[in-house]
Amino acid sequence: EVQLLESGGGLVQPGGSLRLSCAASEFTFSTYAMNWVRQAPGKGLEWVSGISDGGDSTYYADSVKGRFTISRDNSKNTLYLQMISLRAEDTAVYYCAKERAAGVVDTFDIWGQGTMVTVSS
Amino acid sequence: DIQMTQSPSSLSASVGDRVTITCRASQSISRYLNWYQQKPGKAPKLLIYAASSLQSGVPSRFSGSGSGTDFTLTINSLQPEDFATYYCQQSYRTPPVTFGPGTKVDIK
Repeated sequence: EVQLLESGGGLVQPGGSLRLSCAASEFTFSTYAMNWVRQAPGKGLEWVSGISDGGDSTYYADSVKGRFTISRDNSKNTLYLQMISLRAEDTAVYYCAKERAAGVVDTFDIWGQGTMVTVSS
Repeated sequence: DIQMTQSPSSLSASVGDRVTITCRASQSISRYLNWYQQKPGKAPKLLIYAASSLQSGVPSRFSGSGSGTDFTLTINSLQPEDFATYYCQQSYRTPPVTFGPGTKVDIK
């Protein structure tokens, strides 16, 4: 079964850093672009960042640009999100999501179960 | 960025009902419109892509229509497992993709 499994969430103080991971299985990870989407408690979905299949192109929402860095290791079938200078408004469940087809930042057909990030003192 | 709106924000329906949810884009997005279902505590699930294409494994009671700025998700004969929140998402001009605010479907 195609699966994405996030990890790395937790409680962090404002201004702190955190790195999320997303382990992929049962599909050819290196041939699909990947994304991070977040959902603040009780709120809707917000796309955060995307990366091309080879990792050479990256994209960010304005709200995280300059603070978050997306990357991937295709040899390990793993997606990452490095987050620095965290703010209270970054508190959310973070999902990794696979592109359905050849697009980048397009349509997300497989989602992980999510990992919670809480930014609070 | 393209803004997405949905109506209604919530609705109550009974098992067996036909339910229609509307999504509107702030500018024409052709047919670059996707629909997701999310149940409490769970990840979103892709239902419909490219306005009307049914994602593999999704029951045929779900259907999508529309183009340009106005789109509709229809659930024929609502089932107990369909009570959830539904989001539309545009993929016409990205990044960023943008999602609608969601429509919560609950039991009457």
